[in-house]
Amino acid sequence: EIVMTQSPATLSVSPGERATLSCRASQSVSSNLAWYQQKPGQAPRLLIYGASTRATGIPARFSGSGSGTEFTLTISSLQSEDFAVYYCQQYNNWPPGWTFGQGTKVEIK
Amino acid sequence: QITLKESGPTLVKPTQTLTLTCTFSGFSLSTSGVGVGWIRQPPGKALEWLALIYWDDDKRYSPSLKSRLTITKDTSKNQVVLTMTNMDPVDTATYYCAHLITMIVVVWGQGTLVTVSS
Repeated sequence: EIVMTQSPATLSVSPGERATLSCRASQSVSSNLAWYQQKPGQAPRLLIYGASTRATGIPARFSGSGSGTEFTLTISSLQSEDFAVYYCQQYNNWPPGWTFGQGTKVEIK
Repeated sequence: QITLKESGPTLVKPTQTLTLTCTFSGFSLSTSGVGVGWIRQPPGKALEWLALIYWDDDKRYSPSLKSRLTITKDTSKNQVVLTMTNMDPVDTATYYCAHLITMIVVVWGQGTLVTVSS
C-alpha cells in the first residue's frame, strides 16, 4: 500500500495570507494525485487532479504542484470559506488501491 | 447536475451484514469511463477507499477488506450496491458513494453514518 503523509497536521493562517500544504507519497505516484477540501459536516469536494489541474469551478487561488513523491497545494490568499480540512489522494494503481493522506486542517490564526 | 445519495441502515449489530445503496442521477453508468465508488470516514479520522465499479463492470476492492466486500450495479435503476459482511464496531463510519470519471472522483454523495453496536 502506498502511504500518503500530509504536513503539517494543522496550519494556522490569517485571512489574506498564503497557505502551503504538503503531501508525500511512500513511493512514486507520478502525477496521479488529487486534493480535496472538506468542511465540517460536509462531503469532500474535488479541488485539484493530475497534481496541478483545477477542477471545474475552483478558484484560481488554489494551485497544485509536484510529481513523483512530493506534492504541494497552495492557497494564495486565504478567504474565510477556505478554512477546512484538506486531503491528498493518490490514484496511481489499483491494486494495491488508492489511498488518502490523514489531512491538514487549515484554521484561522 | 450530478447527484448521488446513499441509503441503508444507520445502526447494525456486530457480525451482521451491511447493505448500502447509492442512487444517482445526472450520469449513466453505461457511459465509457464512468465509475461509482465507495469511501468511508470513521468519526474524526481520515478517508478510506472501499470499492469501485466501472461502466464495463470492472470491480476493484480494498485489499484489506476484499474478503468482506461486494459491489454491484443496476444500470437501469441508476444504483450501485455495496455489501460488507461481518460488521464490527471499528466499521462505524460515514460511508460515501462517489462519481468517477476514469480515476478522478468528481462528485461525492452527502454520506450516511453507519454505527455498529449491539
